[in-house]
Order: sequence, then structure tokens, then C-alpha cells
Amino acid sequence: KAGVTQTPRYLIKTRGQQVTLSCSPISGHRSVSWYQQTPGQGLQFLFEYFSETQRNKGNFPGRFSGRQFSNSRSEMNVSTLELGDSALYLCASSFVLSGSTEQYFGPGTRLTVT
Amino acid sequence: GENVEQHPSTLSVQEGDSAVIKCTYSDSASNYFPWYKQELGKRPQLIIDIRSNVGEKKDQRIAVTLNKTAKHFSLHITETQPEDSAVYFCAAMGGGGNKLTFGTGTQLKVEL
Repeated sequence: KAGVTQTPRYLIKTRGQQVTLSCSPISGHRSVSWYQQTPGQGLQFLFEYFSETQRNKGNFPGRFSGRQFSNSRSEMNVSTLELGDSALYLCASSFVLSGSTEQYFGPGTRLTVT
Repeated sequence: GENVEQHPSTLSVQEGDSAVIKCTYSDSASNYFPWYKQELGKRPQLIIDIRSNVGEKKDQRIAVTLNKTAKHFSLHITETQPEDSAVYFCAAMGGGGNKLTFGTGTQLKVEL
């Protein structure tokens, strides 16, 4: 099976702009979670989508939002970008059946805000 | 919410020695504990995991132990090799949904 894919891989934006990142999970996986990775804060949970519904949300401001489509592909959006939003954004997919909870990460999108 | 502490932050061992990384968690409802390995510039890779109904799990040179009473879990790597050099993250999950709370990571360096 193909792994988790994310597009774009690299992105440079200016403060105040908005950005949309995309994640395609492993075929058959219905749960997609998003994480932000920075040197200072480590790996932090943003939100999780399952069957097109947000099931969990982390402690991030409302500027961070997401959605999931019927084919399980997910997007996250960050509006009014700040310098501190520069990070590696990782998505992870999970099968979620019979207690299976393993999460497999995509390669990430490296966002730089200038 | 859940809080995961990880120690040490850096670990240097000689090739062939063992390495141990320890984590503690705060939420007694957590029931799934994965470990990820992240090489520089690459994605975190799931290397082993353990569920709360199991005390120990092994996979070749790596093993994980879980002490639910003390809320501790540890990663053990035996016969370390240079390719084991990476950042290792522990994580905990529980309480519904797929939210992983990560430790702060351990930079493991295996020296020749």
C-alpha cells in the first residue's frame, strides 16, 4: 500500500496570509490526525478527523482549522499566519478498527512564515 | 489533559551497548503507548508499541516495558548500531479518539 502523502512538501508564506495543507491517508484508513512539530514545543496535536467529523481538538487558536472529505483525504488551514506558525506540519493516518490505533505519519509540510 | 515526560534528552552510547529511554505519563486512562524514531529530515516512524493490557513487548533488538501502577514505560535497545542514531519519541493515547501526547524526545547517538 502507498504510504501517507502530504502536499506541498515546502511552503513559504508571508505574515497575514493563509495556507492550506493537504494529506492523503493510507488506503482504507479513515482517521487523519494533524500535528505541529517545532524545535521549541516538540510534537503537538492539532486535531483529528474521522468519517468527515472532527473528533478531537488540541489547544491551538481558531486560526487553525481542518476538514475531511468523503474519501478520507484531509486538509488543514491556517489563517492570518504568524511568524510562530513556522513549523513542520505532520499528518498521521490510522485504520481505527477493533482497537487498532497505530498512527503512520506522512513526510510533512515544512511551512516557513516570513 | 495528558502529560508525558521523557528522559534523558540526549543519550550517547558505544556501538554494541544497550540504550534505555524512560517516559512517564499522567492520565491513568491512557491505554496505548507507541514509540517513534525520527531521523534528521524524515518523518516519525513507528518502531514499537504497547497496550495497557501487556507488560512487555519485544521485536528483535527493541523492547518496551510498561508499569501501569507507576505510569512508567521504557524503550530498550540492545546491541546498538550506528543506524540507531536518531531522535526517539514516546507517546501516550487514551480517553477516546486518536490524540497522541508526545514526550519531548531523546537524541540517541551511537558512537563507533
